[in-house]
Parts: sequence; structure tokens; C-alpha cells
Amino acid sequence: SQTIHQWPATLVQPVGSPLSLECTVEGTSNPNLYWYRQAAGRGLQLLFYSVGIGQISSEVPQNLSASRPQDRQFILSSKKLLLSDSGFYLCAWSLGPQRGVGANVLTFGAGSRLTVL
Amino acid sequence: GQQVMQIPQYQHVQEGEDFTTYCNSSTTLSNIQWYKQRPGGHPVFLIQLVKSGEVKKQKRLTFQFGEAKKNSSLHITATQTTDVGTYFCGNAGNNRKLIWGLGTSLAVNP
Repeated sequence: SQTIHQWPATLVQPVGSPLSLECTVEGTSNPNLYWYRQAAGRGLQLLFYSVGIGQISSEVPQNLSASRPQDRQFILSSKKLLLSDSGFYLCAWSLGPQRGVGANVLTFGAGSRLTVL
Repeated sequence: GQQVMQIPQYQHVQEGEDFTTYCNSSTTLSNIQWYKQRPGGHPVFLIQLVKSGEVKKQKRLTFQFGEAKKNSSLHITATQTTDVGTYFCGNAGNNRKLIWGLGTSLAVNP
């Protein structure tokens, strides 16, 4: 069965410090990978998605970046955090619609709660 | 671009009352997905509807997809405290991205 791991679960960082959140998926190959942010406990904002190694699409201009160095690894980074970067970050994966109906269902990791002070 | 509107934003009910959240789009949707997020947790997939007029049930939850495939609803019969959370609808487009509603937060008084 497939599993998704995301870490760290919680972190508190000062403004201007770097960030690295990691996500790995097991039990599948060539998944679509996503980074979402959820601010104020409500809506889900898509930040990045990737359909393959080295292929990253950015949805929202910001001081964050994403990388996919391996097929099942997705990393969210920042060189200098802002206060507005605080939030709940969620990694997710899907098989993608090219693999049939229902294959675009998202499975989320447990999330990383970031507080920037 | 395509948008999915979800109402109400919040709903507070007494345990045992029914609850409904609605998802609306100005354009025809190829599919609709529903997720539930418990407080402090992550969204968990509930169901996907793809056919016009489709109705699916999961115990006390009933999901409907409109005939015109522009709206959907989630109805919970006789709510329980375990139903507390935020319910999101979304449309998975051909570009592999899920277009989300903003969610309906449900609070249940015991």
C-alpha cells in the first residue's frame, strides 16, 4: 500500500531564516506531487505541483521554491522566511488523470505547522 | 479561471440535526470530489462523483452531483460529534490540479 511521509510536523522559525520541508511517498511510482498551504485553518492554496522528476509548476509567486530530486521526494524551501509564510503546509500525491478515473484523488501527508516569529 | 464556490462557510448544529453543504460552479464540472478535514488534521478523501445526477451514500452521508454537473451537495443525517470538521469540495481538472472550494466548517453541539 502507498504511504506518504512529511516532516517536520511542527517548527518555529525566526523571520529571515531558511526553510526546508520534506515529503516522500512510498508504494507507487511516478506520482503527481503537490504542496499546499492552509492559512487561518480554512482554504487550501496550491503552491507547487510536479508531474515528474525536475518538473515543477508554481502556482503562486512568492519566496518559496520546490524541488523534486527523486521520483518520490518533494521538497519545499525558502531562503528567507517572512511572517506571512506561517501556516499549515500539506504535501499530497495522486496518480494523475492519465491513469484513469479516480486516479486524481489526493492523499495528503499529516502536514507541517510552521510559525514564523 | 474556473472556480468552485462552497456554502455555507460555517454551520453550527445540535447533535442529531441534519447538515448540508453545497458546492457550485458556473461551468460544467467533469467530476467533483469531497474531502473531510478534522480539526488539526489533514484532508481525507471521502468520495468522487462523475456522472450527471449521481447520488452516492456512505452511512449517514449522502453525496449528490447535479444534473447539469454544475453543483454538488453533501448531506449528513443526524449529525454526531465525530462529524465535526471542515468539508471541502473540489474539481480535478485535466491539468492535474484540483480546484477547491473554501470549505464548510461544521461544529456539533453534544
